[in-house]
Amino acid sequence: GEDVEQSLFLSVREGDSSVINCTYTDSSSTYLYWYKQEPGAGLQLLTYIFSNMDMKQDQRLTVLLNKKDKHLSLRIADTQTGDSAIYFCAEKTRDSSYKLIFGSGTRLLVRP
Amino acid sequence: KAGVTQTPRYLIKTRGQQVTLSCSPISGHRSVSWYQQTPGQGLQFLFEYFSETQRNKGNFPGRFSGRQFSNSRSEMNVSTLELGDSALYLCASSLGVGSMNTEAFFGQGTRLTVV
Repeated sequence: GEDVEQSLFLSVREGDSSVINCTYTDSSSTYLYWYKQEPGAGLQLLTYIFSNMDMKQDQRLTVLLNKKDKHLSLRIADTQTGDSAIYFCAEKTRDSSYKLIFGSGTRLLVRP
Repeated sequence: KAGVTQTPRYLIKTRGQQVTLSCSPISGHRSVSWYQQTPGQGLQFLFEYFSETQRNKGNFPGRFSGRQFSNSRSEMNVSTLELGDSALYLCASSLGVGSMNTEAFFGQGTRLTVV
């Protein structure tokens, strides 16, 4: 079945690292994504990882994928107040269509 | 390069009415997907259109429908509106085919309020 779960809330101090976690159930997923949503806005694609990779780094963002445990994480280094937002992980189904299954989102609060 | 454009940004409708939302994808993208976002249910997939054909559909009643035009622009329609249809409706644009079909870009959304 298709299900993606995330913790609801994370609070960190400015300058610290943030780690947002996600678990998924569909082992046939091809790509896994992280999106950011600020208040009143749409979804901004941050990064994604192919299911046969273990890690991907993109500037301050590091994605780790543990396929055995179906666990995905997003690490944000040197977290800034502008990083405060809701972060969604999502998996893409294996079929040819572009359908994303989203988690419920993690609200990240960065304290000055 | 222009992003994904959704119109209108905000809508207020009365129960029982119908509404049409529009989405213009990124130039060159042939796939448009629609999602409903509510506080209770989160982000849920409505349907995806590719080359004017519906390629996938989520678990929504038949009151929700869509279409795609030859220029890849898409519309979704909700008939006989209910209070529970109040939501942010997001569309996503992607290439639709090929090995580069790995990213979907979202518009700002249309905020629909049903009163």
